[in-house]
Amino acid sequence: TQLLEQSPQFLSIQEGENLTVYCNSSSVFSSLQWYRQEPGEGPVLLVTVVTGGEVKKLKRLTFQFGDARKDSSLHITAAQPGDTGLYLCAGARYTNAGKSTFGDGTTLTVKP
Amino acid sequence: DAGVTQSPTHLIKTRGQQVTLRCSPKSGHDTVSWYQQALGQGPQFIFQYYEEEERQRGNFPDRFSGHQFPNYSSELNVNALLLGDSALYLCASSSLQGARETQYFGPGTRLLVL
Repeated sequence: TQLLEQSPQFLSIQEGENLTVYCNSSSVFSSLQWYRQEPGEGPVLLVTVVTGGEVKKLKRLTFQFGDARKDSSLHITAAQPGDTGLYLCAGARYTNAGKSTFGDGTTLTVKP
Repeated sequence: DAGVTQSPTHLIKTRGQQVTLRCSPKSGHDTVSWYQQALGQGPQFIFQYYEEEERQRGNFPDRFSGHQFPNYSSELNVNALLLGDSALYLCASSSLQGARETQYFGPGTRLLVL
């Protein structure tokens, strides 16, 4: 059972465009992380959100955690080729601490 | 401050063989988790070690086993390798502070089973 659904699966855009990717679940998570992964490398942590409705900004990236802590979104403004990669969301629960559940990711390609 | 390190970076084995992968956690971290990432998929949780014991386990068979040493480093062992075990194996370390632990990943070990 895939507990975290990420959409879209693939996204190809031109440099300078804006985009939003989504991470949805029917389950409640105590925290949710977003990672970016490049081919052949491990995921690199971008942000952790823990409070329902929380919004965090990291330069051109804006992360939002849903009020019910079941979903999240990542918005990128003025995308650049360096933003290219696989964006993964992962959720963790208090009742099952230490076991993160990952979505299958959104593969983003930003063309110059 | 060294991050999470893993060895080897790449490995080729044949069916039926056994493999051991190694991980050193980020400085100050005491918890190590192992994940398997098949091509085109997100990482799948294998198990987690804390205080040299397995705390959590995902849906992986007993062929997958692990160990954590007093210095917090960890090993993942896979016996009787199958073609389907080919994947990127990721180690993540964290510091157990309540349940809101943030994990930091190593670069992974790419295992190919022929």
